Amino acid sequence: DAGVIQSPRHEVTEMGQEVTLRCKPISGHDYLFWYRQTMMRGLELLIYFNNNVPIDDSGMPEDRFSAKMPNASFSTLKIQPSEPRDSAVYFCASSSRLNNEQFFGPGTRLTVL
Amino acid sequence: AQKITQTQPGMFVQEKEAVTLDCTYDTSDPSYGLFWYKQPSSGEMIFLIYQGSYDQQNATEGRYSLNFQKARKSANLVISASQLGDSAMYFCAMRENLAMRETSGSRLTFGEGTQLTVNP
Repeated sequence: DAGVIQSPRHEVTEMGQEVTLRCKPISGHDYLFWYRQTMMRGLELLIYFNNNVPIDDSGMPEDRFSAKMPNASFSTLKIQPSEPRDSAVYFCASSSRLNNEQFFGPGTRLTVL
Repeated sequence: AQKITQTQPGMFVQEKEAVTLDCTYDTSDPSYGLFWYKQPSSGEMIFLIYQGSYDQQNATEGRYSLNFQKARKSANLVISASQLGDSAMYFCAMRENLAMRETSGSRLTFGEGTQLTVNP
């Protein structure tokens, strides 16, 4: 299995632009998670899905952030409009109902200028 | 209150020696899980070990073992025979509400991490 796949690995954009981060979970995993990691706040859970349905989006910072999971093999995290304080590493992770651990993707390093 | 506390921002250990990374947690849920992840400088998050709150024995995975003291609410990671490749950031994490997993899901809360440096 290729593991959790994220794209792009690096994104540099200007303030006000729309940013879309993509994730392909491990096949067969029912849960998908989006995390954000910054020096100031550490690792924060933004949102997670169970069977493509958003279960908890309480970690989404504000309305500029949105996430979708149109099918079991694809999810997006969108920021519109982006701001410099959104600069962070965004991780996608997935887990199975039968297993406990979450498998993380390599992350997307986002820089908003 | 912090749910996961890692009190050691940085730790140093000599190669081939053992090291213990501290983690304490706070929960009122009787059913929970504790995880350790490793994040090397390359940035990826690597799962190391898991301990369930009802597990009778401490978890072990190769050179990693978890010193689980339920009454003290601690779940320290022990790395035996440290290697240079063990130098990384280590995160402790907790998942609560395991009994209601199907509805509440698998929210993980992470500690702030401990930066481990293994010296040759």
